Amino acid sequence: NAGVTQTPKFQVLKTGQSMTLQCAQDMNHEYMSWYRQDPGMGLRLIHYSVGAGITDQGEVPNGYNVSRSTTEDFPLRLLSAAPSQTSVYFCATRGTGELFFGEGSRLTVL
Amino acid sequence: DQQVKQNSPSLSVQEGRISILNCDYTNSMFDYFLWYKKYPAEGPTFLISISSIKDKNEDGRFTVFLNKSAKHLSLHIVPSQPGDSAVYFCAASPETSGSRLTFGEGTQLTVNP
Repeated sequence: NAGVTQTPKFQVLKTGQSMTLQCAQDMNHEYMSWYRQDPGMGLRLIHYSVGAGITDQGEVPNGYNVSRSTTEDFPLRLLSAAPSQTSVYFCATRGTGELFFGEGSRLTVL
Repeated sequence: DQQVKQNSPSLSVQEGRISILNCDYTNSMFDYFLWYKKYPAEGPTFLISISSIKDKNEDGRFTVFLNKSAKHLSLHIVPSQPGDSAVYFCAASPETSGSRLTFGEGTQLTVNP
């Protein structure tokens, strides 16, 4: 039982490059979300989804796109990476209770 | 505008003593509060929660207190153990479902043997 799986765990990008952070869950949860963690700022919600085909913006959505074509997957896309997007990204799902987080993806944009 | 604030970036206590972590919030629409614990290189894990209809919730060594009039909550760990050393995040939601959580900045707890 893997829970929430994020790939890659580490990534270095150059400014302007694009990439996708993958998130997969095997808990059949409808709710999935992406957070970023930055020093001194806690975790901030980027985008979330309450089910396949439904997504919405969180607190800091600019520069990120998401889609939800299946219950299991919720990829986060950076279309043109910027140094301000250097962060640790966490995917989280929720059933009827608390959030379950993945182990995180550390992204560095040079 | 930091709606959930943890004013202490770090806290150090001796093993066996009480750890008290504090959290303040400004949004009166918050209805559900949670604490998460995070070890290095891991994702946050749920610790304990409380809804606004209660003022205390206990789970083993962990107790969360909520003071709605002061918009303040605290997490008590008794007795503290070295394995409790981690970053603790306070979080709040306007929904009892716990969606759209707003997190505080985190407090690094160190429990010394």
